[in-house]
Formats: sequence, structure tokens, C-alpha cells
Amino acid sequence: DGGITQSPKYLFRKEGQNVTLSCEQNLNHDAMYWYRQDPGQGLRLIYYSQIVNDFQKGDIAEGYSVSREKKESFPLTVTSAQKNPTAFYLCASSRERGNIQYFGAGTRLSVL
Amino acid sequence: QKEVEQDPGPLSVPEGAIVSLNCTYSNSAFQYFMWYRQYSRKGPELLMYTYSSGNKEDGRFTAQVDKSSKYISLFIRDSQPSDSATYLCAMTPNTGTASKLTFGTGTRLQVTL
Repeated sequence: DGGITQSPKYLFRKEGQNVTLSCEQNLNHDAMYWYRQDPGQGLRLIYYSQIVNDFQKGDIAEGYSVSREKKESFPLTVTSAQKNPTAFYLCASSRERGNIQYFGAGTRLSVL
Repeated sequence: QKEVEQDPGPLSVPEGAIVSLNCTYSNSAFQYFMWYRQYSRKGPELLMYTYSSGNKEDGRFTAQVDKSSKYISLFIRDSQPSDSATYLCAMTPNTGTASKLTFGTGTRLQVTL
């Protein structure tokens, strides 16, 4: 089955801890994205990547980091600098940037 | 003011009703318009994708774009309880490497028996 797999489904972060959210796609898409979803605020773009080894900041990149070492994978690290990390995180991919985006099932991050 | 405005709802309708969901936008450069459906605690799934003005129909769903009014709509005919979800509109100036999607905040729809 082609699709986007996000793991884990639920994640808890302790104070001062970095955590990494996984996103893998087998759709052979070039572009990948990370969004944050908060109640009443819609989807906000954190980072995106058009090709391997290249990525750009989105609208709310502070406190987050990413890597794109493989076409299929685009992990997101929520660092301790992100003071309000509790949210629903969504990974998406598209054949190219701006085209139709397909989403994973999301990771819900909470702070302990 | 947000680039894309969407009434958050909730919108409650009886089963079988026709539902109208709407978004307004301010950026006249938007050319591609999408509607996503998101069930609770799930990722959004694409419902409809339209280019420029006009209508597009797919089963019980019709997407309508009025660029002159900067207004898009999604109509759901014969609504079912399984249609209960949050509906997100999204739009972009163009496809390719130079654009990104701008999302509305979503409208929560509840279809009751």
C-alpha cells in the first residue's frame, strides 16, 4: 500500500528534552512537509523539503529542526527551545512543491 | 486579517440534508483550490481539487469556485453521518516549486440521525 507513515501516534516530551517524529513515504514524492495543527488555527507550515539534502523554513520553524537524507524520510525534531510543543503534527508529501499534498495520520505530542 | 477565512462551525444538519461549506480568500493570485476532510484525530484526506473558476462534481460532492468574488464552496448532497468531520479548504497560486498551500482553519460538520 502506498502512503505516508507517521510514528509514533502519541508522544510525550519531558521538560528540556528533544523528541523526534518520524515520517516515511513510499509514494516516490519529491516534496515533503511538516505542519502543526492547533485548535482554531488550522495547519501551519513548519518546514518543507523539495529534494534530498535540501529543506526550507516554513512559517513557524523556531524550535524545530529537520533532515532529508533520503527521499522517503523527513524526520522532525522538536527541540527544547520550542516552549509550547503540545499539538497535532502532520507530515505531508507531494510530487512537487505546491501540488496536491497527501497527509499521514499524524502524531499527537504532549508535554509531561 | 487571514488570507483564507473559514467559519469554524460547528455546523449541525440532519441526515439527508444538503450541506454548504464555504471559504473566502483575499489573495487574487490563488488558482488551485482543494477541499480536505479530516476525521477526529486523523490526517486530512483530499476530497476535491479544482483549478480556476467553475464547478466540479464527484458523487455527492460538488466544489464551486468564484474567483471574481474570491469565494469557494463545497456542497454535500444527501449528507450521511459518516460525513461528520472537519472540512478544510486549501489554495495555492500555482503548482510547481514556487508556491505553498494556504489552509483555512476548518469547519466542523455534524450530521445527525
